[in-house]
Amino acid sequence: DSGVTQTPKHLITATGQRVTLRCSPRSGDLSVYWYQQSLDQGLQFLIHYYNGEERAKGNILERFSAQQFPDLHSELNLSSLELGDSALYFCASSGETGGLDEQFFGPGTRLTVL
Amino acid sequence: GEDVEQSLFLSVREGDSSVINCTYTDSSSTYLYWYKQEPGAGLQLLTYIFSNMDMKQDQRLTVLLNKKDKHLSLRIADTQTGDSAIYFCAESFRGSQGNLIFGKGTKLSVKP
Repeated sequence: DSGVTQTPKHLITATGQRVTLRCSPRSGDLSVYWYQQSLDQGLQFLIHYYNGEERAKGNILERFSAQQFPDLHSELNLSSLELGDSALYFCASSGETGGLDEQFFGPGTRLTVL
Repeated sequence: GEDVEQSLFLSVREGDSSVINCTYTDSSSTYLYWYKQEPGAGLQLLTYIFSNMDMKQDQRLTVLLNKKDKHLSLRIADTQTGDSAIYFCAESFRGSQGNLIFGKGTKLSVKP
């Protein structure tokens, strides 16, 4: 158990809908990262928050957004969903920004868009 | 741009050594990592190497880094059936704010 929790574990929805994925980092970790894992693209970095502020953006679509709240939990919002958004979404947390950054991964949320 | 390449599959017999290879393109990589993903689970950091090192050993794991060829390898000695998983190579580099660039993963199958 990494100490990072993600809810829900599975999500099935329809095209055009909007969903919110939630992540609670390990106690004391200020950084939260979101990654998308799909069969064709592999594991891709989406976005990084540190103590409530956005620090880096990767291959995140404009239809996707995220935020980190004062209690350090984070939410990833996916809107106008398309079939291709079906993937496993991971959240990771770490205690530092930059440098050696052991990231602890949550179990993931599997999103299926029908 | 950044790119990390790995072969997709490796099959070994229990007790043999496994060697998983990875190549990367970004010469400004600072740390290189090996993560393990078991079925239905998240990623678990196995080991890492700083880019100015050539080798790192950690129990059954040996990481070799050839910076000139941008080649990273993970050797698992005495491979066990419990080592069956997908292994991801990843890099982070200066200015990336810690986000990781992953390879597509190598699926290791260990046959008894």
